[in-house]
Amino acid sequence: EDQVTQSPEALRLQEGESSSLNCSYTVSGLRGLFWYRQDPGKGPEFLFTLYSAGEEKEKERLKATLTKKESFLHITAPKPEDSATYLCAVQAYSGGGADGLTFGKGTHLIIQP
Amino acid sequence: NAGVTQTPKFRVLKTGQSMTLLCAQDMNHEYMYWYRQDPGMGLRLIHYSVGEGTTAKGEVPDGYNVSRLKKQNFLLGLESAAPSQTSVYFCASSLRRTNNQPQHFGDGTRLSIL
Repeated sequence: EDQVTQSPEALRLQEGESSSLNCSYTVSGLRGLFWYRQDPGKGPEFLFTLYSAGEEKEKERLKATLTKKESFLHITAPKPEDSATYLCAVQAYSGGGADGLTFGKGTHLIIQP
Repeated sequence: NAGVTQTPKFRVLKTGQSMTLLCAQDMNHEYMYWYRQDPGMGLRLIHYSVGEGTTAKGEVPDGYNVSRLKKQNFLLGLESAAPSQTSVYFCASSLRRTNNQPQHFGDGTRLSIL
């Protein structure tokens, strides 16, 4: 069974204080690992897809990295508008054809001015 | 560019009532999905569709039915609502499977069953 564990559950940072969010995963065969951002009352918004260990992707103050067992979302010099819940999800190869994502419970990030 | 649109945005039902949630996408995506999101749990897949006229069960399909009569629409039905189905329901779509296309989500339907 595919599993995704995110830590910490919640994180409060001061504006400009860099940190990292962790996503540990167990999957039979990784097709892709996805990071999403979710604002209150909204649906998840796609950020990154990572496919293989060693891969990195960046977008503004965010950088996602991938190893064979976990992914990190690094936030550099965050601003209050980066406050959101960050979701990690994996998509596995499956012969039956199910293409749904397995999500973690998310990390609730608050950036204080 | 609307993307994925869900209707209604909010609904309150009584136990035993039925209703249909509508998802529409304007991106010409082949794949569509229904998830539910509950406090303290990750999003869980209910049903999905890999093309017009096809549907399949996900992780938590019991108590729900779906239909995909048109490529752009994916309907989720509750035949006899139960309090355990109180949740936020999200629809998503993706272009295809083979190129690891990301899923794009709507803003959800908040459903309360009394």
